[in-house]
Amino acid sequence: DAGVIQSPRHEVTEMGQEVTLRCKPISGHNSLFWYRQTMMRGLELLIYFNNNVPIDDSGMPEDRFSAKMPNASFSTLKIQPSEPRDSAVYFCASNPRDGSYEQYFGPGTRLTVT
Amino acid sequence: DQQVKQNSPSLSVQEGRISILNCDYTNSMFDYFLWYKKYPAEGPTFLISISSIKDKNEDGRFTVFLNKSAKHLSLHIVPSQPGDSAVYFCAASEDRDDKIIFGKGTRLHILP
Repeated sequence: DAGVIQSPRHEVTEMGQEVTLRCKPISGHNSLFWYRQTMMRGLELLIYFNNNVPIDDSGMPEDRFSAKMPNASFSTLKIQPSEPRDSAVYFCASNPRDGSYEQYFGPGTRLTVT
Repeated sequence: DQQVKQNSPSLSVQEGRISILNCDYTNSMFDYFLWYKKYPAEGPTFLISISSIKDKNEDGRFTVFLNKSAKHLSLHIVPSQPGDSAVYFCAASEDRDDKIIFGKGTRLHILP
């Protein structure tokens, strides 16, 4: 199993530009989570999906952030327009929803907004 | 307000000695607790967990202790090895909730 796949691994963009982060969960996993890691706030949950349906987006910082999961094998997190304070590492994780709480994380996307 | 708190941003321990990482929580509804380990440029990986019906869970060199009355848990690593140098995240979840709430992490340095 390839594990959770994220792309790109690094993204550098200018303020005001649109940024799209991508995630492929582990096959068969029914839950998908987007996190953001910063020094100040640690690992924050942004949004999560069960069976492709958004369940809780209370962690999404503002309307500039949006996430979609068009099918069981793909999700995107979009920031439009991006701002320097969005610079962080963004992680995607998946869980099989078999009663286990364990989440499997991807390698992350390091976003830098200049 | 942080529901899961790791008050020590970093910790240094001599190789071979015991490492103790601490975690406090405020939500009394949490009933499952996890520890994750993270190396630079990688995602967090699951290390060990404990249910609220237990007060101890052991897996090799790693033991997690839970004190529900104090809302406190700790991770013991013994003996500490160089490969244990990483950031450790404490996390918690409520029953029937898919969400995991993470602490800010503690960076562990194992000294030679």
